[in-house]
Amino acid sequence: EDQVTQSPEALRLQEGESSSLNCSYTVSGLRGLFWYRQDPGKGPEFLFTLYSAGEEKEKERLKATLTKKESFLHITAPKPEDSATYLCAVQGLTQGGSEKLVFGKGTKLTVNP
Amino acid sequence: DTAVSQTPKYLVTQMGNDKSIKCEQNLGHDTMYWYKQDSKKFLKIMFSYNNKELIINETVPNRFSPKSPDKAHLNLHINSLELGDSAVYFCASSQGWDSSYEQYFGPGTRLTVT
Repeated sequence: EDQVTQSPEALRLQEGESSSLNCSYTVSGLRGLFWYRQDPGKGPEFLFTLYSAGEEKEKERLKATLTKKESFLHITAPKPEDSATYLCAVQGLTQGGSEKLVFGKGTKLTVNP
Repeated sequence: DTAVSQTPKYLVTQMGNDKSIKCEQNLGHDTMYWYKQDSKKFLKIMFSYNNKELIINETVPNRFSPKSPDKAHLNLHINSLELGDSAVYFCASSQGWDSSYEQYFGPGTRLTVT
């Protein structure tokens, strides 16, 4: 069964203190790995899709990378507004052959000013 | 001009009742989804419709019945509510059903069963 494990569960950073979030996965044939951001009381918001090992994508202070077993979300010089829960998901297959997203539990990031 | 909207935002009801959650998207997408986010924060797919046709049904109890009257709407009806149904339910939509397309999520409906 497809699985996604994110670490750490929670991370506190000072403003400007760079760090990385980890997403390790097992999936039978990766079709895509997604990163989402979720603010309290809101739905997840799409950040990135990665399709193959070695691929990297950037958006402002965020950079996502992918290997055959894990993905990292690097946060450079974070600001308080980057505080949120970051969700990782892989595109797997249902028993019926349709594609579905399997989410990790998320990493709750808090950036203190 | 919310892209994916859900009503109601909060729903408090007693065990055994029947309730519905409505979802509408104005993005012109072909595929819509229902997810459940439980108290442990795991977000799990329940159903997916593509062009009004059910394509994913993830071993959800028969008490849950999705209905898609048209491509822009996907409603969720729940019969005989149980305590374990308490969760946040998210509707989402995407341009297509495969990994080429990101999903856009609604704001969620927090269901509390007492």
